[in-house]
Amino acid sequence: AQKVTQAQTEISVVEKEDVTLDCVYETRDTTYYLFWYKQPPSGELVFLIRRNSFDEQNEISGRYSWNFQKSTSSFNFTITASQVVDSAVYFCALSETHGSGNTGKLIFGQGTTLQVKP
Amino acid sequence: EAGVAQSPRYKIIEKRQSVAFWCNPISGHATLYWYQQILGQGPKLLIQFQNNGVVDDSQLPKDRFSAERLKGVDSTLKIQPAKLEDSAVYLCASSRPRTGRGETQYFGPGTRLLVL
Repeated sequence: AQKVTQAQTEISVVEKEDVTLDCVYETRDTTYYLFWYKQPPSGELVFLIRRNSFDEQNEISGRYSWNFQKSTSSFNFTITASQVVDSAVYFCALSETHGSGNTGKLIFGQGTTLQVKP
Repeated sequence: EAGVAQSPRYKIIEKRQSVAFWCNPISGHATLYWYQQILGQGPKLLIQFQNNGVVDDSQLPKDRFSAERLKGVDSTLKIQPAKLEDSAVYLCASSRPRTGRGETQYFGPGTRLLVL
């Protein structure tokens, strides 16, 4: 069965520190997609990145970077030089594509609360 | 491009009352999802529509929850009667293609429900 684990419940850093949020997933599918979403205090889930299972290249977008490793079933997210505005709950999610029961729904992890202190 | 719209943003009701939530997806998005997010947890899918047909409602408590998507555009989620454990944020999301598999889902601001 598909599952996403975010072992870090809460992380607290001081502004300008780098921080990595861990995500480990389980799936029997060979084709799947991984996502990261940010949920600020306002409550809306903001899409950050989508990665398919065939693309293991790391990605960088400004201060954000993602490390996808199929060998360890991990899709970790790093924020470089964190800022107070990065404070939010971050969710990792999995979407499978094959099998009659797979409709594309997102399976979310429990989320990691990041607090960046000034 | 306008995002996913939801209303109301907040709702407080007493147990055994009924409540309805409304969602308008991004224009042109064929797939619509309702998720329930209990405090401290990740969202969990309640129901998924493809146009106006139900694709997945396996996690919907059908004895009290119902949803419809008339005309394949906006959608309504209803709870009747509400229980204390229904207190949560109800998130609506939409995505573009026919299957919905693997496509990015865009979320609305959510409706925070408190059942007393």
